[in-house]
Amino acid sequence: GAVVSQHPSRVICKSGTSVKIECRSLDFQATTMFWYRQFPKQSLMLMATSNEGSKATYEQGVEKDKFLINHASLTLSTLTVTSAHPEDSSFYICSARTLSSYEQYFGPGTRLTVT
Amino acid sequence: ELKVEQNPLFLSMQEGKNYTIYCNYSTTSDRLYWYRQDPGKSLESLFVLLSNGAVKQEGRLMASLDTKARLSTLHITAAVHDLSATYFCAVRKDKIIFGKGTRLHILP
Repeated sequence: GAVVSQHPSRVICKSGTSVKIECRSLDFQATTMFWYRQFPKQSLMLMATSNEGSKATYEQGVEKDKFLINHASLTLSTLTVTSAHPEDSSFYICSARTLSSYEQYFGPGTRLTVT
Repeated sequence: ELKVEQNPLFLSMQEGKNYTIYCNYSTTSDRLYWYRQDPGKSLESLFVLLSNGAVKQEGRLMASLDTKARLSTLHITAAVHDLSATYFCAVRKDKIIFGKGTRLHILP
């Protein structure tokens, strides 16, 4: 149980375009999901906390107009990178928190490459 | 603000040797995690430590927690090449914050 999926697993886009990444909790409901970003050989940095039905809370230094987060249901959160640039190339990992145990489970990640 | 510090950040060791990775955190939290990450992959959960004095072991890895010192250790016993990976400790206080990770390279 407690499986989190992400789609796509890998995406390449051109500079200036937007790309959407989906995060789904497959076998549990998650009122809260988290989005992390990981640059090569670095740690995971929390970008934002996404609550179902309300606005996301962004960490300091993360542009909310650039990284649009929507958490429309208890099993789906999306991260849209708008007007992507090469410096946005990174590994994006989502995490979903269960209602029952309050535990967080991590998705397999999405590797974004902006050319 | 919750801060998590790991050391060492890089560790190269011979097979068969023992070593310890340290994780310090700055404020009280309700649980501490250890994760493994292989290149290009997401996180694999190793241990969740909840209370002071907690010790958990899985194979050649053993994790412990001292909440009074705000310190956790990940001990590797008789290392083997398959344990080469990056190990992260992470601390939860409403949300999970990660340390910088320890890149472990075990030489055959």
